[in-house]
Amino acid sequence: QKEVEQNSGPLSVPEGAIASLNCTYSDRVSQSFFWYRQYSGKSPELIMSIYSNGDKEDGRFTAQLNKASQYVSLLIRDSQPSDSATYLCAVRNQGGKLIFGQGTELSVKP
Amino acid sequence: GAVVSQHPSWVICKSGTSVKIECRSLDFQATTMFWYRQFPKQSLMLMATSNEGSKATYEQGVEKDKFLINHASLTLSTLTVTSAHPEDSSFYICSAREDREVQPQHFGDGTRLSIL
Repeated sequence: QKEVEQNSGPLSVPEGAIASLNCTYSDRVSQSFFWYRQYSGKSPELIMSIYSNGDKEDGRFTAQLNKASQYVSLLIRDSQPSDSATYLCAVRNQGGKLIFGQGTELSVKP
Repeated sequence: GAVVSQHPSWVICKSGTSVKIECRSLDFQATTMFWYRQFPKQSLMLMATSNEGSKATYEQGVEKDKFLINHASLTLSTLTVTSAHPEDSSFYICSAREDREVQPQHFGDGTRLSIL
């Protein structure tokens, strides 16, 4: 089992719709969770961090964490073509290392 | 916000050349920095953790004599790819976080290395 798992996609949504990105992790004691956005040929850019169960909202982005289910998700409301990118879920393990999922490619169609 | 600067952004060189990549935290101190490598269509793979004033910690399968890491100050880490070969061609990205472990990591812009 991979430490951090994501569906690779591509996930295609129409402009204005909600995009839902999901991630599961295997290390039950992980405490820090992050979503990064990576455009093609660029380095990852931090979108959201979440540390406690529940929802955390920042503009059009909402991160959701459920530690009991070892599940973290990212919702993007009112999706725009500029949101088209690969979204990387990252989990900090006990050793302090950031472990990445393989990324979900999102395509927002005008 | 926290800014990480990486230089150069793009390198093309001949096989056998050694290439040095610099990573700087511009507005915060970073005792620990991280070096990643990313091949096309793949996720980021951690190569090593760079520790200020001490030896780097390498991930399994990463040759420490091939990828030399120096973290001489709280704001600068360097990665030297020694005697580079075509299979070393990749996107190398450094990352740093402020010295409170709960803080997120911020990434440099990456270095695209092409070995001919």
